[in-house]
Amino acid sequence: DVKVTQSSRYLVKRTGEKVFLECVQDMDHENMFWYRQDPGLGLRLIYFSYDVKMKEKGDIPEGYSVSREKKERFSLILESASTNQTSMYLCASRGGTVYNEQFFGPGTRLTVL
Amino acid sequence: DAKTTQPPSMDCAEGRAANLPCNHSTISGNEYVYWYRQIHSQGPQYIIHGLKNNETNEMASLIITEDRKSSTLILPHATLRDTAVYYCIDQTGANNLFFGTGTRLTVIP
Repeated sequence: DVKVTQSSRYLVKRTGEKVFLECVQDMDHENMFWYRQDPGLGLRLIYFSYDVKMKEKGDIPEGYSVSREKKERFSLILESASTNQTSMYLCASRGGTVYNEQFFGPGTRLTVL
Repeated sequence: DAKTTQPPSMDCAEGRAANLPCNHSTISGNEYVYWYRQIHSQGPQYIIHGLKNNETNEMASLIITEDRKSSTLILPHATLRDTAVYYCIDQTGANNLFFGTGTRLTVIP
């Protein structure tokens, strides 16, 4: 079974803290994605990566950065967490062509106080 | 802005077919239609996708109209575990799947 795992299901942080969200996939996929999901807004793409050390901005990259040092791991970093970054964060991976499906992790629900 | 339109909610009796409609009137000729679902507190799960022909797999069938402006996802025998939010997506770009707000399907015992 293909698998995308995320480091935490629930996380509570304070405003101004640096936050790391980790995502690991075991399918040798080239492409990895970070989304956030908010009620009424659906999923919005933050960043994606199509290869090791490569990254592209999605629709809402402000306040976030990413790191892809190894093919299987894609990290989302909140340099200085703010309350408006309270959200569900979803990681996904995709292999092969752009027409292939994305496989999602279970999500991390982040609360910033 | 969402390029697909779906009803916000639907109910279906357990064991019956669930037919979930989607309008994608602005879809271009080389854009696929994808369906994903999201069960509460889980990440989205891929169901099926198609270009212009009808498609079937172990989870569902996808019927695309000849003009490609709409499609219907069919779950042939809905179970309680099919209760979820179903997203119809047309591919907007190389990597960005735009998930709108979907259809919340409730399967009723």
